[in-house]
Amino acid sequence: AQSVAQPEDQVNVAEGNPLTVKCTYSVSGNPYLFWYVQYPNRGLQFLLKYITGDNLVKGSYGFEAEFNKSQTSFHLKKPSALVSDSALYFCAVSVYQAGTALIFGKGTTLSVSS
Amino acid sequence: DTGVSQDPRHKITKRGQNVTFRCDPISEHNRLYWYRQTLGQGPEFLTYFQNEAQLEKSRLLSDRFSAERPKGSFSTLEIQRTEQGDSAMYLCASSWTGESTEAFFGQGTRLTVV
Repeated sequence: AQSVAQPEDQVNVAEGNPLTVKCTYSVSGNPYLFWYVQYPNRGLQFLLKYITGDNLVKGSYGFEAEFNKSQTSFHLKKPSALVSDSALYFCAVSVYQAGTALIFGKGTTLSVSS
Repeated sequence: DTGVSQDPRHKITKRGQNVTFRCDPISEHNRLYWYRQTLGQGPEFLTYFQNEAQLEKSRLLSDRFSAERPKGSFSTLEIQRTEQGDSAMYLCASSWTGESTEAFFGQGTRLTVV
């Protein structure tokens, strides 16, 4: 069965420091991987996706993510965190052969302190 | 605003009542999805449409749930004989056709069953 794991419920980082939000996946086909961010009282916003090609993908707001097939991981990163990055982050996977539904992780709360 | 819109944003209903939610997708998107999100969890897929055809339904979508997308435009999600366990955020998303296109989410309808 397809699944996504976000092993950390919360990540705390100081402003200006690099941040990493971890994600691992388990799928039986070729994965299409996504990161979404959810701010309070706002809908999920798309950050970036990996489809194929370069393992490092760049997205919105300075975020990037690294796809590692051997470790089945897709960690979200940012070189320098901002207080405004504080939000709930979701990793998701889609397997086209199984339909187009996204399978989401439980989410990781990122807290950036000033 | 040309994003995905959902109505109502909040709904409180008594157990046993029927409720209906509406989703207006981004106009040029032909795929529409419904998800349910409970506190501390990522969104869980319920069903999706391509144009007016309902192509996939999750086992989470019990017989009390029905979704429609007449004419391939807006969609409605109806829950009959609501139960307290139906309390959740119901999210709608839309996308273009394609195996790797990202979905755009609405702000959701928060249902509370009392």
